[in-house]
Amino acid sequence: DAMVIQNPRYQVTQFGKPVTLSCSQTLNHNVMYWYQQKSSQAPKLLFHYYDKDFNNEADTPDNFQSRRPNTSFCFLDIRSPGLGDAAMYLCATSRLLSGASSYEQYFGPGTRLTVT
Amino acid sequence: AQKITQTQPGMFVQEKEAVTLDCTYDTSDPSYGLFWYKQPSSGEMIFLIYQGSYDQQNATEGRYSLNFQKARKSANLVISASQLGDSAMYFCAMSLGNQFYFGTGTSLTVIP
Repeated sequence: DAMVIQNPRYQVTQFGKPVTLSCSQTLNHNVMYWYQQKSSQAPKLLFHYYDKDFNNEADTPDNFQSRRPNTSFCFLDIRSPGLGDAAMYLCATSRLLSGASSYEQYFGPGTRLTVT
Repeated sequence: AQKITQTQPGMFVQEKEAVTLDCTYDTSDPSYGLFWYKQPSSGEMIFLIYQGSYDQQNATEGRYSLNFQKARKSANLVISASQLGDSAMYFCAMSLGNQFYFGTGTSLTVIP
């Protein structure tokens, strides 16, 4: 089945130790997103790619970086994780709906990051 | 500015009863999409239902229906015949092009 895959599902890292979260998709969608979601809050968009075009949200800290080496893969790098970066990280893709003018978004299962 | 508003932080419903989760949106763009997602405690965002701004009829997907009132800018989710497995967070979202905006969510608890 076509899908959005995130690895690992659970990640524990130490304060200040760089960590990379991975996302891959078999949907061949040209848009990919990274969201941060803290407990009982809405997902917060960090950045998104339209093909190779990178779009950073204005309030995304410099500590967060992303790479998209090809259509299928997208990575989230946290250079120096702080305790406040502990959260669920959701990867999503989107495509333009057939016969419509809006996009439909597909989410991966998320990676729950713990910072010790 | 808040684009999606969900005013019910928490809701309770008796099993087998229907429940309505409220969502209002704000945009001057004539072309947009409205979505509802379910997020159980496992964290995965599960797509439930979609309504396009030009769609004339309200969307339905099984036990889910979207009460789309364009003039009032509301897109309420109706869940019929609630089940215990419906207990979860529910997020309303709007797409403008490939940008998505989420509400703060409603926590639904189904009581046996």
